[in-house]
Amino acid sequence: DVKVTQSSRYLVKRTGEKVFLECVQDMDHENMFWYRQDPGLGLRLIYFSYDVKMKEKGDIPEGYSVSREKKERFSLILESASTNQTSMYLCASTLKEFYSNQPQHFGDGTRLSIL
Amino acid sequence: GEDVEQSLFLSVREGDSSVINCTYTDSSSTYLYWYKQEPGAGLQLLTYIFSNMDMKQDQRLTVLLNKKDKHLSLRIADTQTGDSAIYFCAETRYRRGSTLGRLYFGRGTQLTVWP
Repeated sequence: DVKVTQSSRYLVKRTGEKVFLECVQDMDHENMFWYRQDPGLGLRLIYFSYDVKMKEKGDIPEGYSVSREKKERFSLILESASTNQTSMYLCASTLKEFYSNQPQHFGDGTRLSIL
Repeated sequence: GEDVEQSLFLSVREGDSSVINCTYTDSSSTYLYWYKQEPGAGLQLLTYIFSNMDMKQDQRLTVLLNKKDKHLSLRIADTQTGDSAIYFCAETRYRRGSTLGRLYFGRGTQLTVWP
């Protein structure tokens, strides 16, 4: 079974801090994704990566950056955390060939609170 | 428009059937997915349907696809209290001329099952 592990289930940080959210997958997947989930808004894509050292902006990249130095790890960085970044953050991974029936596998999420 | 649409709430009595509806946007989407999210957890793949199919059945789950209307539905037979969760539909969209793609999610339908 594919395992996507997010380093923290709950995280509390202060406004202005630099925050790192880590995600690791163990199935040699090329594609990795970061979403945020807010009530009534569903999942919104922040950034994604199709390969090591590659990154692309999703729908709401402002205030975030990412790092993909190794295939199995995809980090989301809040450069200067703000209260409107309080949310549930979900990481996902999938094989490169997106036309296959291989679904995105999700981690359990990190609930981040910015005070 | 660009959005994947689904109603936000559905309440049913235990033992009844539930039907969750979704409209998607891209007629070239190849795979359409239903994900389930239980409280405090990430998303798990429930089922999927390939675009050349009209119907797919998997135990208590039936997925119907109407490509002409771009309408997808998920029927849960004999709904149980354990089915209470948020259900997301998602469509695949590809870059022009590429197999690289991403999922677009609806906002999720909160299914509440009453005993």
